Amino acid sequence: EIVLTQSPATLSLSPGERATLSCRASQSVSSYLAWYQQKPGQAPRLLIHDASNRATGIPARFSGSGSGTDFTLTISSLEPEDFAVYYCQHRSDWPPTFGQGTKLESK
Amino acid sequence: EVQLVESGGGLVQPGGSLRLSCAASGFTFSNYAMSWVRQAPGKGLEWVAPISDSGDSTYYADSVKGRFTISRDNSKNTLYLQMKSLRAEDTAVYYCAKAYISGWVFSAGDWGQGTLVTVSP
Repeated sequence: EIVLTQSPATLSLSPGERATLSCRASQSVSSYLAWYQQKPGQAPRLLIHDASNRATGIPARFSGSGSGTDFTLTISSLEPEDFAVYYCQHRSDWPPTFGQGTKLESK
Repeated sequence: EVQLVESGGGLVQPGGSLRLSCAASGFTFSNYAMSWVRQAPGKGLEWVAPISDSGDSTYYADSVKGRFTISRDNSKNTLYLQMKSLRAEDTAVYYCAKAYISGWVFSAGDWGQGTLVTVSP
């Protein structure tokens, strides 16, 4: 089973700042990595698929990069609605595991 | 607009059974792989079981193998999860998810609102 490790566990930033979230895989997942946003009491929402492709309707301030074992989600300028928990997930093989999450909180 | 509506959750005793359903609309259900993903209270996400568009291929997390069965009825646009021998550690919100691209079995582009399953005496 591929283990995804996200860092940091918590990120405290202010609106307008740039957020950089990391996801590291225990072995290569090629570019088969997705990022999700989850707000309290809501289902996850797909942001990025295949490392760098924004899902339909996702604002351009969200971008993804990386391949192999190291991936990054960047939010260029934080909006108030961006404070949430973010998960990475690979679809390289079964089981498609998730990282443990990064909580992005407002400073 | 894609809609996924889960139902069937509730309180069940350890060792009991429950069947979850997910009614799908807004897309051609038979063209997409579907999955169940769960989230224990205050915890992260776990992929429970996906099923291919035709239903021919299924996969199960080790934690539920032999106890849970995923199935689908393409004529009714409905996904199911039959859960037996339930344990306290199965307590979670269970989400129904639609593959982002039809052939991407291990992807989740759209999610339902979830249904809570609580396993407790």
